[in-house]
Amino acid sequence: GENVEQHPSTLSVQEGDSAVIKCTYSDSASNYFPWYKQELGKGPQLIIDIRSNVGEKKDQRIAVTLNKTAKHFSLHITETQPEDSAVYFCAVRGAGSYQLTFGKGTKLSVIP
Amino acid sequence: NAGVTQTPKFQVLKTGQSMTLQCAQDMNHEYMSWYRQDPGMGLRLIHYSVGAGITDQGEVPNGYNVSRSTTEDFPLRLLSAAPSQTSVYFCASSYTRRTNTGELFFGEGSRLTVL
Repeated sequence: GENVEQHPSTLSVQEGDSAVIKCTYSDSASNYFPWYKQELGKGPQLIIDIRSNVGEKKDQRIAVTLNKTAKHFSLHITETQPEDSAVYFCAVRGAGSYQLTFGKGTKLSVIP
Repeated sequence: NAGVTQTPKFQVLKTGQSMTLQCAQDMNHEYMSWYRQDPGMGLRLIHYSVGAGITDQGEVPNGYNVSRSTTEDFPLRLLSAAPSQTSVYFCASSYTRRTNTGELFFGEGSRLTVL
């Protein structure tokens, strides 16, 4: 099955700095790559996603980049704010599959 | 519009007891699934369903049963609880079962402790 590696597991940044979280995947046929944010005591919520025919997607302060050749994708958060503090999960959906395989998560702390 | 509703939010069981975690969604989603979340392990898929009457196993199905008699409901049954099933359980649903799209909407989770 699909194997998803996510790094780092924890990340601390100063408010206003950028944060980058990276994920690698094993199945070259995978075609959908979402990122979820989980706040304390809540369920994960989709923040951005990218499909395999797109290299980059931006939504205000967040962006995702995809390198299909290297089989990795990254989440970029610019001008971080305290409310960005949460656990972030990457996920991958393989071609012909219904399921999402999640990375183990990154705990982001934004220090005021 | 309530989204995905899970009950109970907290539950303590003794080893060997059985129980059912309830999940309901009011978005007419075809796809529903159950994940468990353990520290350092991310979210692991237990079972999923692509429509009423259709269920399938995920990554970690042992010790759990599911059924899907209606579009709205997808209960998760623990047949004989074990301490290894102590976890936070999330139900999630999606509008479409097309394979290259479909935002997953998660419930708020059910925290289960098995003593």
